[in-house]
Amino acid sequence: EVQLVQSGTEVKKPGESLKISCKGSEDIFSNYWISWVRQLPGKGLEWMGRIEPTDSSKSYSPSFRGHITMSVDRSISTAFLQWSSLKASDTAMYYCAIHSGWYFRSWGQGTLITVSS
Amino acid sequence: SYVLTQPPSVSVAPGQTAKITCGGTNIGSGTVHWYQQKAGQAPVLVIYDDTDRPSGIPGRFSGSNSGNTATLTISGVEAGDEADYFCQVWDGSGDQLYVFGTGTKVSVL
Repeated sequence: EVQLVQSGTEVKKPGESLKISCKGSEDIFSNYWISWVRQLPGKGLEWMGRIEPTDSSKSYSPSFRGHITMSVDRSISTAFLQWSSLKASDTAMYYCAIHSGWYFRSWGQGTLITVSS
Repeated sequence: SYVLTQPPSVSVAPGQTAKITCGGTNIGSGTVHWYQQKAGQAPVLVIYDDTDRPSGIPGRFSGSNSGNTATLTISGVEAGDEADYFCQVWDGSGDQLYVFGTGTKVSVL
């Protein structure tokens, strides 16, 4: 079974920067796109964006474009999601997920981010 | 952007059948995928491409898609099926490429 392991819980202040990670096997990064999905507390799932690991091409949801940056380091089989200036409204659970088509076949365990002054 | 509407909640007795709908304009012209999310856990794919089950997903889970409604059916519901369920489609017509439904909480009585 494909495994994605995400970095741990973060507690940050508004305005701070943050980079979270999602590590998979080398095979995953050769064959699958990686998306990030946000889940606000008690709410549904929102697609944030997608990155293609072989050429790092990206597509961002209009709701998140300009506020987040996705990247990948194939040498360590890890994808990243980063913010340069967090807001309280970024408090949520964030999931990475892999897909080779139009659905998300495997998900990371999630990274909880709390942004509070 | 494309909108997928699900009922907020569905209640079902053990052993009965739960049907979870996902409504969207002409949703039947594309393919729908379904995820199960148990409390405190990450989502898990249970149905893809309208009707297919990943390995490890019980045959009690099935899907259909036609017209303006897709449906996830759970036959012989068990207590362990209590979870939130989300439908999802790919929308190539806009920038929001992947759209999730609003989610349905399935409660086993």
